[in-house]
Amino acid sequence: NAGVTQTPKFRILKIGQSMTLQCTQDMNHNYMYWYRQDPGMGLKLIYYSVGAGITDKGEVPNGYNVSRSTTEDFPLRLELAAPSQTSVYFCASSLTGEDYGYTFGSGTRLTVV
Amino acid sequence: EDKVVQSPLSLVVHEGDTVTLNCSYEVTNFRSLLWYKQEKKAPTFLFMLTSSGIEKKSGRLSSILDKKELSSILNITATQTGDSAIYLCAIDGGGSNYKLTFGKGTLLTVNP
Repeated sequence: NAGVTQTPKFRILKIGQSMTLQCTQDMNHNYMYWYRQDPGMGLKLIYYSVGAGITDKGEVPNGYNVSRSTTEDFPLRLELAAPSQTSVYFCASSLTGEDYGYTFGSGTRLTVV
Repeated sequence: EDKVVQSPLSLVVHEGDTVTLNCSYEVTNFRSLLWYKQEKKAPTFLFMLTSSGIEKKSGRLSSILDKKELSSILNITATQTGDSAIYLCAIDGGGSNYKLTFGKGTLLTVNP
């Protein structure tokens, strides 16, 4: 059982480049989330999804886009990368909204230079 | 806007010490308070506290919710080096989508 798989683990982007962070879960969870964590900070919610075809903005959505075409996949797209997007990105999933025992991916460390 | 403040931001103790981590919050409609432990990578869930479950315990870790004071504490007794981690507090402030607001975390270092 793989849980939540995030790729890549590390990435360096130049300012203005674009990329997609991949997230896949094999637990048939309905809820999926993207968080970013800056040094010395807690997690901030970027986008979330309560099921296939449904996405919504979190606390810090600017500069990002998501899609949820299947239950398993929840990719995060960065368009026109900026230094302010340098962070560690975590994808997480849960069966229901009340299931706070999120399963987190191992994270993607992104640096924009 | 929901808000979570944790203190202290960092703490260094020796093995065997007891520590208390604090979390205070401001929310529109409180539903749950969560504690997570983050070691090198992703957070792992520790406790959920609600109006109907204000005290939780697991081994050397315990947590209490004080709804009157809008706060929670996380206690760790007989600390071990393996307890070294960032401890995150989060709030579900109500709403239909169960979104969490996290505090900045407390970095706990347990020295041998």
